[in-house]
Amino acid sequence: DQQVKQNSPSLSVQEGRISILNCDYTNSMFDYFLWYKKYPAEGPTFLISISSIKDKNEDGRFTVFLNKSAKHLSLHIVPSQPGDSAVYFCAASASSNYKLTFGKGTLLTVNP
Amino acid sequence: DTAVSQTPKYLVTQMGNDKSIKCEQNLGHDTMYWYKQDSKKFLKIMFSYNNKELIINETVPNRFSPKSPDKAHLNLHINSLELGDSAVYFCASSQVLAGSLSTDTQYFGPGTRLTVL
Repeated sequence: DQQVKQNSPSLSVQEGRISILNCDYTNSMFDYFLWYKKYPAEGPTFLISISSIKDKNEDGRFTVFLNKSAKHLSLHIVPSQPGDSAVYFCAASASSNYKLTFGKGTLLTVNP
Repeated sequence: DTAVSQTPKYLVTQMGNDKSIKCEQNLGHDTMYWYKQDSKKFLKIMFSYNNKELIINETVPNRFSPKSPDKAHLNLHINSLELGDSAVYFCASSQVLAGSLSTDTQYFGPGTRLTVL
């Protein structure tokens, strides 16, 4: 029972263009959402988060959008850089429990 | 100056053996976690400890026993290893418990790749 879904296993974009990574969730109790970035042979590192009371959060080149009615969030990276090439995990948590639920990840490749 | 460290990085062992993975965080966090990333790449929570107290046990077989000697350490001991235990195990820590009023960022260790032959 996948409560957090990242339906695109991979995405390839050109340097300088926008990267859009998508995430859907099914559990309406989720109220906090995070994006993590993972390089090979390293642990995931926190990128950006958003609370369910907001619909947008921006941090430099990274923006996360939340559409609660659609149970959908997306991560926009603009402009994309080759160093952004990594696996991006979407994660969600609910105040009622004490864990993060992760999606399967999307491999982003930014081509020079 | 590693924030969350795990040892060993790689562990290859025979079925039936008992092994331990150690985790230490120097961030002063109250909460530590163990995650398992299986061959399908899902990252799933196994355990969570808050101030040395077990908070989450995600129906993990009792062959897996976490031990938290102090707030900065959360070790994972696995008895009678099985082929299906082969995975990458990640330790993480956070200042507050995920799901509490102000969910904090979880910081992950580099992972331990366990291979059971």
